[in-house]
Amino acid sequence: GESVGLHLPTLSVQEGDNSIINCAYSNSASDYFIWYKQESGKGPQFIIDIRSNMDKRQGQRVTVLLNKTVKHLSLQIAATQPGDSAVYFCAENGYNQGGKLIFGQGTELSVKP
Amino acid sequence: KAGVTQTPRYLIKTRGQQVTLSCSPISGHRSVSWYQQTPGQGLQFLFEYFSETQRNKGNFPGRFSGRQFSNSRSEMNVSTLELGDSALYLCASSQGQGDQPQHFGDGTRLSIL
Repeated sequence: GESVGLHLPTLSVQEGDNSIINCAYSNSASDYFIWYKQESGKGPQFIIDIRSNMDKRQGQRVTVLLNKTVKHLSLQIAATQPGDSAVYFCAENGYNQGGKLIFGQGTELSVKP
Repeated sequence: KAGVTQTPRYLIKTRGQQVTLSCSPISGHRSVSWYQQTPGQGLQFLFEYFSETQRNKGNFPGRFSGRQFSNSRSEMNVSTLELGDSALYLCASSQGQGDQPQHFGDGTRLSIL
């Protein structure tokens, strides 16, 4: 099967700090990107998305940055809370690929109270 | 609006058996995608169905198959189960355009003995 090949890194932050989670995507033709949050025992939950004609998009406490030159995505979480503790995945979708997402291996975020 | 529903949540099978998993998408969504999640390989795309037709397929053997019904509900089938098929099987639905987010169910945990 296909997947973006990253080991599962971990990020530990203090409650209230900002978190930055990075992702390198594989296909320069990908034109749509999504960040998901997965808690133990649950499916991935949509956080925020961005199209390739943008380089930044903001949501509630989250910001996604896209750098197409180096094929890099980042997710910034402001004022991180214990409830943000989870595994975070980036996913990419190529042009005309319909519902086929290619996922990164994920980053485990641990928030210390 | 109800989310994506997958049944059953847990399954235990033995090698050589076959299994059928079910997915009910969000109302109005016409695309259903299936993914396999394992600790070693992460989230990998299996296939996507749109309007009862398979639109995309990942790199899995023919033992993995699926179908979609006229009400957009989908099933996936795995025949001749192997130990390596033990995984969390996730279903996601979307409206079907490549730049729209997929929303996931909580998965079916399949264990092969």
